[in-house]
Amino acid sequence: AQSVTQPDIHITVSEGASLELRCNYSYGATPYLFWYVQSPGQGLQLLLKYFSGDTLVQGIKGFEAEFKRSQSSFNLRKPSVHWSDAAEYFCAVGLARGGNKLTFGTGTQLKVEL
Amino acid sequence: NAGVTQTPKFQVLKTGQSMTLQCAQDMNHNSMYWYRQDPGMGLRLIYYSASEGTTDKGEVPNGYNVSRLNKREFSLRLESAAPSQTSVYFCASSVMVAGTTDTQYFGPGTRLTVL
Repeated sequence: AQSVTQPDIHITVSEGASLELRCNYSYGATPYLFWYVQSPGQGLQLLLKYFSGDTLVQGIKGFEAEFKRSQSSFNLRKPSVHWSDAAEYFCAVGLARGGNKLTFGTGTQLKVEL
Repeated sequence: NAGVTQTPKFQVLKTGQSMTLQCAQDMNHNSMYWYRQDPGMGLRLIYYSASEGTTDKGEVPNGYNVSRLNKREFSLRLESAAPSQTSVYFCASSVMVAGTTDTQYFGPGTRLTVL
């Protein structure tokens, strides 16, 4: 069964600093990978997804992520964080074939210091 | 276009009471899902419905039942609520294309407290 690890429970960055949130997955075949963001009291919003092709994917709000098959990683990055980026971020993995279920990581809470 | 809607937004139950959480989507998606979110545990799949007329258990189905009423609506029922079911419940929907996963779109959630 697939699994997702987000090793950082909490991260604090200063506004304007760069950000990298880590995500590692365990899955034997080609995964579909997603990053979602959840603001307090809200549902989850898709930031970006990787299905195939270019391993560097661009998302909304200036976020990007890079799929590295050799490291089983799909880390999320942003060059300059804004105070409004403070939220919880979830990485998720889905089956590339034969299924439509997602497995989510436990999330990383991002705090932005002004 | 409202996307995925959930009712109610908040609910407090006493142990042993029953209730149904409602979910509807207007995106013509064929797959729908129910998750629960608990602190430090991410989202865990309770039940899902790959298409109208089918439902399957997810990771944590015990204590819950579901009904796929039609293509738009997917309800989650707690027959006898327990304090361990205190959680935030999210409904989601997605398109299934050629048997492969696609983006899931989430509702705003229902915060349930069981006393």
